[in-house]
Amino acid sequence: GENVEQHPSTLSVQEGDSAVIKCTYSDSASNYFPWYKQELGKRPQLIIDIRSNVGEKKDQRIAVTLNKTAKHFSLHITETQPEDSAVYFCAAAAAGNKLTFGGGTRVLVKP
Amino acid sequence: GAVVSQHPSWVICKSGTSVKIECRSLDFQATTMFWYRQFPKQSLMLMATSNEGSKATYEQGVEKDKFLINHASLTLSTLTVTSAHPEDSSFYICSAREQGWGEQFFGPGTRLTVL
Repeated sequence: GENVEQHPSTLSVQEGDSAVIKCTYSDSASNYFPWYKQELGKRPQLIIDIRSNVGEKKDQRIAVTLNKTAKHFSLHITETQPEDSAVYFCAAAAAGNKLTFGGGTRVLVKP
Repeated sequence: GAVVSQHPSWVICKSGTSVKIECRSLDFQATTMFWYRQFPKQSLMLMATSNEGSKATYEQGVEKDKFLINHASLTLSTLTVTSAHPEDSSFYICSAREQGWGEQFFGPGTRLTVL
């Protein structure tokens, strides 16, 4: 089955700086890669996703890159703000299949 | 986006009792629903996948006789934790998907505490 590794497990950045979270996956059949933000005690919220037919996607301060050859994908948050503090999860899935989540990254943005 | 609700949002029960958690898709028909469990400071672990009208598919290590899943309609799935024990205390989250390629929409979660 699919295995998703996520690094780092914790990330502390100064407000205004960029944050980068990296994930690797094992199943070459995976072609859908969403990123979720989860605040304490709340549901995961989809913040951006990418499919295997593109290498990069951007939405305002958030961008995701995908390298299918190397089987890794990354989340980039620019100009971080205190409200970006949360736990972020990457995930991977093959078409119509279940999501496999990474271990999560706890991001702290210091004002 | 689509809305998924869960009920109850939290429940406290005594050891040995059963607890039922409902997951509803409010504005779309969910052909597939997923049940996850999340322990403190850990990731979401998939417990089972349920398709409307058929038996759920359980992940390895999840006891199907302990965690009963029913997906009787396109808008409702239930998870029943039978004979709950303190180690079952966790945050249970469901998600629903409209079609095979569609986004998964998560419910708000149910915090179960077994005394």
